Amino acid sequence: KAGVTQTPRYLIKTRGQQVTLSCSPISGHRSVSWYQQTPGQGLQFLFEYFSETQRNKGNFPGRFSGRQFSNSRSEMNVSTLELGDSALYLCASSLAQVGTEAFFGQGTRLTVV
Amino acid sequence: DQQVKQNSPSLSVQEGRISILNCDYTNSMFDYFLWYKKYPAEGPTFLISISSIKDKNEDGRFTVFLNKSAKHLSLHIVPSQPGDSAVYFCAASALAGNQFYFGTGTSLTVIP
Repeated sequence: KAGVTQTPRYLIKTRGQQVTLSCSPISGHRSVSWYQQTPGQGLQFLFEYFSETQRNKGNFPGRFSGRQFSNSRSEMNVSTLELGDSALYLCASSLAQVGTEAFFGQGTRLTVV
Repeated sequence: DQQVKQNSPSLSVQEGRISILNCDYTNSMFDYFLWYKKYPAEGPTFLISISSIKDKNEDGRFTVFLNKSAKHLSLHIVPSQPGDSAVYFCAASALAGNQFYFGTGTSLTVIP
């Protein structure tokens, strides 16, 4: 069974630009969550999508948005990039039921210069 | 506000000995807890979980203990192996959703 796939693995963008990250969940998983990891901050929850609807949202500004397609693939978009957005962005997929473990992709390393 | 805390940033243990990683949480609504292991430049790998109806869950060398009254959980690794060297994150969620709150991680080094 294929794992969670995130593309691209690495990305360098300039301040003010926007970026789109992609995540393909494990086959059969309908819940996709996004996390931001920065040094010293651990993993911070961005949002969760289930059946193309945002089900949960963390405390991030509106510049961070996402969507989920009918095949459960998800994209995350960050507009008007800031230097502080440099981080490892991780996608996790879960079965529909709550209270089950999440499986993570390898992440996209975003560097804003 | 950090709802899940790992107060030890690092831990060193001799190979063959027990590694004990600790985690505290503040939100009494949390009822599902997980441990993840992470290597640099990779995503976290799920290790073991426990729901609040249990106080212990075991999987091979890994055992997680939950003390609900103290809002504390711990991961025991016995025996520790050099390949266990990684950063370990604990995470918690309320059964209302798949939003996980993570600690800041503990870097475990197992010395051969």
